[in-house]
Amino acid sequence: VQLLESGGGLVQPGGSLRLSCAASGFTFNIYAMSWVRQAPGKGLKWVSGMSGSGGSTYYADSVKGRFTISRDNSKNTLYLQMNSLRAEDTAVYYCAKGILMVVNPDYYGMDVWGQGTTVTVSS
Amino acid sequence: AIRITQSPSSLSASTGDRVTITCRASQGLSSYLAWYQQKPGKAPKLLIYAASTLQSGVPSRFSGSGSGTDFTLTITCLQSEDFATYYCQQYYSYPFTFGPGTKVDIK
Repeated sequence: VQLLESGGGLVQPGGSLRLSCAASGFTFNIYAMSWVRQAPGKGLKWVSGMSGSGGSTYYADSVKGRFTISRDNSKNTLYLQMNSLRAEDTAVYYCAKGILMVVNPDYYGMDVWGQGTTVTVSS
Repeated sequence: AIRITQSPSSLSASTGDRVTITCRASQGLSSYLAWYQQKPGKAPKLLIYAASTLQSGVPSRFSGSGSGTDFTLTITCLQSEDFATYYCQQYYSYPFTFGPGTKVDIK
């Protein structure tokens, strides 16, 4: 079971980036997934999540309207489109697989994490 | 959003010690709480979910308890590899939120 993020980099304020998370080793389309970020020297902050089917999406207030989560279950890949980036979005971004919860599958702890991809927003 | 506090924010301990970390939520979570361990430069690792269920492969010296608003992570007989930062996370409602973390270092 593995998650591999890509797409991070240096971007100017107001710019855009799309992060990808390639999943392998599990049946991707039955698991909810999330993006979690960690600013330098800070704690973990949940950013966005999506149900296994892709029918439900959730966002932190700080990114709502700027970030869009999506998934392509045929490619076993999760995405995070980030627009109107700000300096405070600078962080390592992790994708994480939700534990399969029989009751309330959209509410989960996260049992597999990628290695993270670094996003730096700076002029 | 549900606010999560953790105490202490840091602690110093010795190998073999028993360590207890507390997580408190601003509203009831039932048992929708997870605990993670993170080492510098690494991704978090799930230790406990559903407040007290040990994740597969995690040593039995880790245990979780609590429900509602007050939760505890206990590490019995601290090992050298346990020096890390520990976070709790609620998944009772969106947005999911993490506690600020508890750093466990060597005394």
